[in-house]
Amino acid sequence: GENVEQHPSTLSVQEGDSAVIKCTYSDSASNYFPWYKQELGKGPQLIIDIRSNVGEKKDQRIAVTLNKTAKHFSLHITETQPEDSAVYFCAASIRGAGNMLTFGGGTRLMVKP
Amino acid sequence: GAVVSQHPSWVICKSGTSVKIECRSLDFQATTMFWYRQFPKQSLMLMATSNEGSKATYEQGVEKDKFLINHASLTLSTLTVTSAHPEDSSFYICSARVLPGLAGGPYNEQFFGPGTRLTVL
Repeated sequence: GENVEQHPSTLSVQEGDSAVIKCTYSDSASNYFPWYKQELGKGPQLIIDIRSNVGEKKDQRIAVTLNKTAKHFSLHITETQPEDSAVYFCAASIRGAGNMLTFGGGTRLMVKP
Repeated sequence: GAVVSQHPSWVICKSGTSVKIECRSLDFQATTMFWYRQFPKQSLMLMATSNEGSKATYEQGVEKDKFLINHASLTLSTLTVTSAHPEDSSFYICSARVLPGLAGGPYNEQFFGPGTRLTVL
């Protein structure tokens, strides 16, 4: 089955700096890659996703890149703010496989003011 | 956007009792809902896939007789933890998949509920 690795497990940045979180996946059939933000005591919230037919997607301060050949995708947050502090999860899914998501281990992002 | 609710948000129960958690899709229909368990500082672990009108599909290692799942309508799935024990204490999260053709498009994104914190004494 699919295996998703996420790095780093913790990331501390200064407010205003950029943060990058990287994920690799094992199954080349995966074609949907969402990113979730989870605040303490809450459920995950979809912040951005990318499909296999594009290499990059941007939404304001958040961007995701996908390299299908290398089987890795990354989340980029620019101009970080304290409210960006949370745990971020990447995931991968295969179309037609019941849309089951395989999650990475998570990255705890701390943005210091 | 698609909204998923869970009830209750937290519950404390005695060992040996059963607890029911509801998951509702508020503004869309979901043929498939997923149930996850998350231990502190860990990732989400898929427990089962719940399909409306049929039996749930459980992941390996998840006891179907202990975690009863019912998906009676396109907007409601329930998870019942039977004979709960302290080791069942966890954060339970559901998600719902948008039907094809709606906001989710062909890839059917999952939208997550806020989670239910279960503490078994």
